Amino acid sequence: SYVLTQPPSVSVAPGQTARITCGGNNIGSKSVHWYQQKPGQAPVLVVYDDSDRPSGIPERFSGSNSGNTATLTISRVEAGDEADYYCQVWDSSSDHYVFGTGTKVTVL
Amino acid sequence: QVQLVESGGGVVQPGGSLRLSCAASGFTFSSYGMHWVRQAPGKGLEWVAFIRYDGSNKYYADSVKGRFTISRDNSKNTLYLQMNSLRAEDTAVYYCAKESGDYVHAFDIWGQGTMVTVSS
Repeated sequence: SYVLTQPPSVSVAPGQTARITCGGNNIGSKSVHWYQQKPGQAPVLVVYDDSDRPSGIPERFSGSNSGNTATLTISRVEAGDEADYYCQVWDSSSDHYVFGTGTKVTVL
Repeated sequence: QVQLVESGGGVVQPGGSLRLSCAASGFTFSSYGMHWVRQAPGKGLEWVAFIRYDGSNKYYADSVKGRFTISRDNSKNTLYLQMNSLRAEDTAVYYCAKESGDYVHAFDIWGQGTMVTVSS
């Protein structure tokens, strides 16, 4: 089965840039989606199809995808960005949906 | 407003059964694929099952295949998850989620979740 690997944690100072990676075999050939989940809340879609943002998501959230790594970038980080972030793809070979292992973003 | 509301969670003994429901509103339910996603306490997200907009195709995670059944009633705007032969490792918050559509395999709307605890 397809596996997506994320770093367990990322720490960033307010106003700086956070980059969260999502590794998978030839992930660049897939569409990657990203979710933000705050404690006790349901996940929220923040980036879809590698780099598109749903309405209402700040431009500070952006994504890229190439080779074996997809990246979610949060610019000008704010305290409210502190959350768990998950990447996700659809594996067409199995018709399964796969989530990454998750990354906890801490704002220092 | 677009909304998904899960219900049916609770405490069940190992080997028991439970049926979850997810009531949809604010969008044309019959036009979208729907999912169940779960999250064990302190753990990450795990996709559980998908059903096509018309119920014609269903897919399951290997961990639940043969024990769980996803279904929908488009006349009632409701999604279901029948869970049989429950195990301790099925303990989790269960979320229903709407697929984005237009060949975008993302989950753009989520419910608040319902807790399922499997314990003797």
